[in-house]
Amino acid sequence: GIQVEQSPPDLILQEGANSTLRCNFSDSVNNLQWFHQNPWGQLINLFYIPSGTKQNGRLSATTVATERYSLLYISSSQTTDSGVYFCAVENSGAGSYQLTFGKGTKLSVIP
Amino acid sequence: NAGVTQTPKFRVLKTGQSMTLLCAQDMNHEYMYWYRQDPGMGLRLIHYSVGEGTTAKGEVPDGYNVSRLKKQNFLLGLESAAPSQTSVYFCATSRLGTGELFFGEGSRLTVL
Repeated sequence: GIQVEQSPPDLILQEGANSTLRCNFSDSVNNLQWFHQNPWGQLINLFYIPSGTKQNGRLSATTVATERYSLLYISSSQTTDSGVYFCAVENSGAGSYQLTFGKGTKLSVIP
Repeated sequence: NAGVTQTPKFRVLKTGQSMTLLCAQDMNHEYMYWYRQDPGMGLRLIHYSVGEGTTAKGEVPDGYNVSRLKKQNFLLGLESAAPSQTSVYFCATSRLGTGELFFGEGSRLTVL
């Protein structure tokens, strides 16, 4: 099956700093999503971004499907950004929106 | 508007016991999924459903059964629980045509 690798696995930031999280995948995809899992365990959909660039406030994401990677940018980080960020992809042709998740990047934002 | 609701939120079982997790959605989404999350493993798909009366296996289906008798409900059953099934279980839904996942709050299951 498709492989999804996220980097870095852990990241510690000072509040106000910027960061870039990366997601590499091993095959063509027709669905890519970024999720944030907060310290209480809730999973929130950040972006549905199989290609192109999207922005939502301090967060933005870019997917270059032809080169098989996606980037999540966090600007002016806040303590509420802490948690685990997951990238999930659907292999083209898999159908039924079956997503394969990466192992996540754990972000800790310290005051 | 509750979205995706899972019950129970916490459960402790003894090895060999059975239980059912219920996922209920009021979003009128066609697709529903059950994932499990283990430390360092990300989320893995157990079973999914593309509509009422249909189910299919995901990546890690062994030891689980599912049913979707009504569009709004997706049940995950453990017939004979094993310690390896200790995990956090998440239900998710998506609307036909988008694939965007919406998750429930999770159910933490411990099998002793």
